[in-house]
Amino acid sequence: AQSVTQLDSQVPVFEEAPVELRCNYSSSVSVYLFWYVQYPNQGLQLLLKYLSGSTLVKGINGFEAEFNKSQTSFHLRKPSVHISDTAEYFCAVSGGTDKLIFGTGTRLQVFP
Amino acid sequence: DTAVSQTPKYLVTQMGNDKSIKCEQNLGHDTMYWYKQDSKKFLKIMFSYNNKELIINETVPNRFSPKSPDKAHLNLHINSLELGDSAVYFCASSQVKDTAYQETQYFGPGTRLLVL
Repeated sequence: AQSVTQLDSQVPVFEEAPVELRCNYSSSVSVYLFWYVQYPNQGLQLLLKYLSGSTLVKGINGFEAEFNKSQTSFHLRKPSVHISDTAEYFCAVSGGTDKLIFGTGTRLQVFP
Repeated sequence: DTAVSQTPKYLVTQMGNDKSIKCEQNLGHDTMYWYKQDSKKFLKIMFSYNNKELIINETVPNRFSPKSPDKAHLNLHINSLELGDSAVYFCASSQVKDTAYQETQYFGPGTRLLVL
């Protein structure tokens, strides 16, 4: 069975500062990892995903994430955030079954 | 053009009523899903269908019944609504090439259900 832990429920940050949103997973099989973003009152949208290959994955809107198998982590980073990045961010894992298992989400709040 | 659409966007109803939420995708995808997001933003899969066939049926009360008239539509009917059913319900779809669990899922805007 897979599970996902997002350690931070909220991350406040000032505009143009860097940010890291943490995600740890557990799985007994090979995993596929995803980051989704949910803007207020909208559905989820894929930011990036790791299936195989290079452990550094680049996504939309300047986000990137690094798959670290030894630390079972898939942290999301952005070097300089914008007000419009304010949203809920979900890490998700799949593998072995047809379903995505989501973390509890991290609320990124960007202040001017 | 809207890729995954849901109707209605908001649904306020009394306990004990029966209601339906409709979902349509115009992406040509084979697989569709229903998720429930609670007040704490926790997102959990309820059902998935592949080409009108039920694939995933999580531990959901049998008051919830999905129906897929064709592969572009997946509707959710809820009988005897309870207070605890209040949540945001998201429909999603994906194209299954090799395995469903590698594919990107495309989400609808959600249906906000409030049971009074």
